[in-house]
Formats: sequence, structure tokens, C-alpha cells
Amino acid sequence: AQSVSQHNHHVILSEAASLELGCNYSYGGTVNLFWYVQYPGQHLQLLLKYFSGDPLVKGIKGFEAEFIKSKFSFNLRKPSVQWSDTAEYFCAVDTGGFKTIFGAGTRLFVKA
Amino acid sequence: EAGVAQSPRYKIIEKRQSVAFWCNPISGHATLYWYQQILGQGPKLLIQFQNNGVVDDSQLPKDRFSAERLKGVDSTLKIQPAKLEDSAVYLCASSQKLAFSTDTQYFGPGTRLTVL
Repeated sequence: AQSVSQHNHHVILSEAASLELGCNYSYGGTVNLFWYVQYPGQHLQLLLKYFSGDPLVKGIKGFEAEFIKSKFSFNLRKPSVQWSDTAEYFCAVDTGGFKTIFGAGTRLFVKA
Repeated sequence: EAGVAQSPRYKIIEKRQSVAFWCNPISGHATLYWYQQILGQGPKLLIQFQNNGVVDDSQLPKDRFSAERLKGVDSTLKIQPAKLEDSAVYLCASSQKLAFSTDTQYFGPGTRLTVL
């Protein structure tokens, strides 16, 4: 069955530290990839997405993600986190069957 | 631009009771999704509509859950009768229609259901 794995359920960082959140999926065909974020008290919203082209995609607030097809991965990165990045981050994969599968999420807490 | 609206925001019921949730998507969005998000897990798709037709309801427990999208706009999701394990946040999302895949989904605030 198709699935999405997020390796870390909880991450705690100090401000200015670098961030990398892992995401792997199990599907051998063409995929569209998303990272969504949910800030405390807010709705889920799109952070960035990859459909095709340059595998390094940039999103809002300085986030970027790299699609590595050979590793079935779409890891999220940010060189220097801020306290305001405290949120829950979800990786999501669309396998082209009009179904989006979400990972379990990673809760990020950034210490000021 | 108005976002996705959902109501109620919170609902507490006893097991075996019925409950209904309402969703109004962003104007012009052809695709509407209902997700169930259990605490500590990611959203799980229950049903997806394209206009007023069902695209995917493979994970909808059809013995107790039902959903409709009248006139291709608003949608309701019903649970009858509810079980303890239905306690979750029910999210509604909408997106524009693409030919071969989903596009960015815009989520509502969700309805937090507690079944006692």
C-alpha cells in the first residue's frame, strides 16, 4: 500500500539552528509532492509543492525542499529557524490517482 | 478571498448518537475533500468530490458515514451512529481542478468531534 513516512515526530531546535525534516514515500510512479504546515491555532496551509522541473523547490518563509527520485524522498529544509517556525509540518504525496496521502506529521518547537 | 468555512467548530456527543458537519469551499473550487485526523496522526482522506460527483470514497466507513455535495458547492458529512473511535478532527478542504492530479488544497478550521 502507498504510504508516507516522516522520520521525526518531535523536533526541538534553538533559534538560528538549521532544520531538516525527512519525508519518504512508497510509490514507484509519478508523484506530486507537498509540504503543509499548521501553526498553533491556525489552519493547515501550503508551505511548498513539487510537480515537475527543478527538484529543489522554494516555498514561503525561507523553506525549501529537495525531491530525490532515487531515494523516494522529499526532505524539507531551512538554514536558520525562527521561533515563529514552531508548528506541525506534514508531508503529502499525490500519486496521480486523485488521492493525497499525508504523513503523520512532525511537531517542531523552536526555543527562543 | 474567503476561505473554507466549516461548522460547528466543536461537537460532543455520546456513542450511538448522530452528528453532521457542514463545509462551504472556496468559491469556484471544483474539488472538495473530507479528511479525518485522529490525534497524533496525519489527515486521512475519507471522501473526495469533483463538482457533485464522488471521485474517491474508498476509506469512508460506509456503514456509518455518509457525505453529499449538493449542487457541487456545499457539503455535509454525517456519522450515524457514532463510535468512540470516531473522536477526531474532521477537516474539509477544497482545490481547483487539474486534469490529472490534485492541486494545492485549502483547508478549513476543522470540527473537533468528541464521542463519549
